[in-house]
Amino acid sequence: SYVLTQPPSVSVAPGQTARIACEGNNIGSKSVHWYQQKPGQAPVLVVYDDSDRPSGIPERFSGSNSGNTATLTISRVGAGDEADYYCQVWDNTGDHYVFGDGTKVTVL
Amino acid sequence: EEQLVESGGDLVEPGGSLRLSCSTSGFPFSTYEMNWVRQAPGKGLEWVSYIGISGTTIRYADSVKGRFTISRDNAKNSLYLQMNSLRVEDTAVYYCAREGGSLNFELWGQGALVTVSS
Repeated sequence: SYVLTQPPSVSVAPGQTARIACEGNNIGSKSVHWYQQKPGQAPVLVVYDDSDRPSGIPERFSGSNSGNTATLTISRVGAGDEADYYCQVWDNTGDHYVFGDGTKVTVL
Repeated sequence: EEQLVESGGDLVEPGGSLRLSCSTSGFPFSTYEMNWVRQAPGKGLEWVSYIGISGTTIRYADSVKGRFTISRDNAKNSLYLQMNSLRVEDTAVYYCAREGGSLNFELWGQGALVTVSS
């Protein structure tokens, strides 16, 4: 089955840029979606189809996808961005939805 | 306002059964594909099951296949998950999630906690 690999944690200073990688075999050929989950809350879709943002998501959230790595970029990070972030794709070989293990973003 | 509200979470013994419900409002439920996604305590997200708009297309994760049954009632704007032969490892918060146009989960409920323990 398809595997997505994310770093367990990313730390970033306030006002700086956080980049979260999501690695998978030829992931550039798939559509990647990203979710933000704050403690005790349900996940929220923040980027879909590699780089599109749902209504209401700030432009500070952006995404890219090429080769074996997709990346979620959060610009001008603030305390409110502290959360777990998950990447997700559709695995058409197994007819399954696949999530990465998640990355905890800490604002220093 | 578009809403998904799960109910039915409880403490159940291993081998037992439980039925989760997801009541929806604020959008035309019958036109959306739906899913269940779970999250074990302190762990990541795991997709559990999918159902198409008419209920004829259904998919399950290998971890629940043969034990869980997803269903929907479009007249009642509701989604269900019948869970049988529950195991300790099924302990999780179960989220109802509406599918977006590109195989993602665009709207989530607040979750229902299922605890399997003796």
